[in-house]
Amino acid sequence: KNQVEQSPQSLIILEGKNCTLQCNYTVSPFSNLRWYKQDTGRGPVSLTIMTFSENTKSNGRYTATLDADTKQSSLHITASQLSDSASYICVVSDYSGYALNFGKGTSLLVTP
Amino acid sequence: EPEVTQTPSHQVTQMGQEVILRCVPISNHLYFYWYRQILGQKVEFLVSFYNNEISEKSEIFDDQFSVERPDGSNFTLKIRSTKLEDSAMYFCASRAGLAVHTGELFFGEGSRLTVL
Repeated sequence: KNQVEQSPQSLIILEGKNCTLQCNYTVSPFSNLRWYKQDTGRGPVSLTIMTFSENTKSNGRYTATLDADTKQSSLHITASQLSDSASYICVVSDYSGYALNFGKGTSLLVTP
Repeated sequence: EPEVTQTPSHQVTQMGQEVILRCVPISNHLYFYWYRQILGQKVEFLVSFYNNEISEKSEIFDDQFSVERPDGSNFTLKIRSTKLEDSAMYFCASRAGLAVHTGELFFGEGSRLTVL
């Protein structure tokens, strides 16, 4: 069964600090891995998309890494801002490309 | 900036009633999706739609659910006889279709369904 596991479940950090969120998956055959940011009560917004051949991808202060061999990904947030407070969701697609397997998300709270 | 729009933003209905959730995908997109998120749980795939037919559906998408693209702009999700456990946020999403495996997926703001 395709699964996507994220850790930690929740995280509190001080404004300006960095943090790293983890994602492990068992989706096979693998197509791509996406990180989304979801504000409370809103729809997910795409941060990064990585395919099998990509090891890292950046989007501003967000940097995602992918190790397709170990089936692990991380999302690193640099110099956090209050507006970074949200749920960060790891999403992995199999080769069909249609159905996406969502993780439960990591709830991040950035405090002043 | 183009966006996916969903209506209603919130609907309250009685158990057993029919509900139609509406979505207007981004105009040049070809692939359409419905997802749901029960409060406090992860987002779950329901169905994908391409070329006027369902391309894939999950176990959740049983006979109570149906999707339709009645005209060139709207994409609807119908729940025939709602159950309490259908209470969730329903997200519509669309993708341009240029690259199945890397195309960005754009989500709407969601329609919150509450079944009493």
